[in-house]
Amino acid sequence: DAGVIQSPRHEVTEMGQEVTLRCKPISGHDYLFWYRQTMMRGLELLIYFNNNVPIDDSGMPEDRFSAKMPNASFSTLKIQPSEPRDSAVYFCASSVDVSGNTIYFGEGSWLTVV
Amino acid sequence: QKEVEQDPGPLSVPEGAIVSLNCTYSNSAFQYFMWYRQYSRKGPELLMYTYSSGNKEDGRFTAQVDKSSKYISLFIRDSQPSDSATYLCAIWDQKLVFGQGTRLTINP
Repeated sequence: DAGVIQSPRHEVTEMGQEVTLRCKPISGHDYLFWYRQTMMRGLELLIYFNNNVPIDDSGMPEDRFSAKMPNASFSTLKIQPSEPRDSAVYFCASSVDVSGNTIYFGEGSWLTVV
Repeated sequence: QKEVEQDPGPLSVPEGAIVSLNCTYSNSAFQYFMWYRQYSRKGPELLMYTYSSGNKEDGRFTAQVDKSSKYISLFIRDSQPSDSATYLCAIWDQKLVFGQGTRLTINP
């Protein structure tokens, strides 16, 4: 299996622009997670889906952030408008269940907002 | 109080040394504890998984949970340069909650 696939790997954008991050989970995994990692705050859960349905979005920082999962093999995390404080590494992860011992992470999307 | 706290380091030790990485957690009800390893510019990967208290060993790695102190530890014996990475502890509280991560460097 190719693992969790994220794109783009790197993105540099100007403040105010829309950013869309994409994720393809591992086939057969019913859970998909979006995390954000920064030096200051570490690794934080933003939102997770079960069978394409958002279950917990309490970690989404504000209305500028939105996530969708239109089907079992694709999810997007969108930031509109982007701000410099959104600069971080965004990880997508997938799992066969919601516990922590079956979760697999992608290699991350490195976002810089200037 | 954060649910799980971890000293971010950095920690630098010579090859062959025993490494001790530690975290504290806030809620004595937590039952599932994990250690993840994250190489530079990669995603975290699960290293060790422990349920409740006690020790779990896997090769050179030992995970230890002390529920009375709300303390979790990861020990690495005979450390190798390839162990250089960031190590993140995590607890399960209806979702994974990670510590800050400790950056470890093993010097040849």
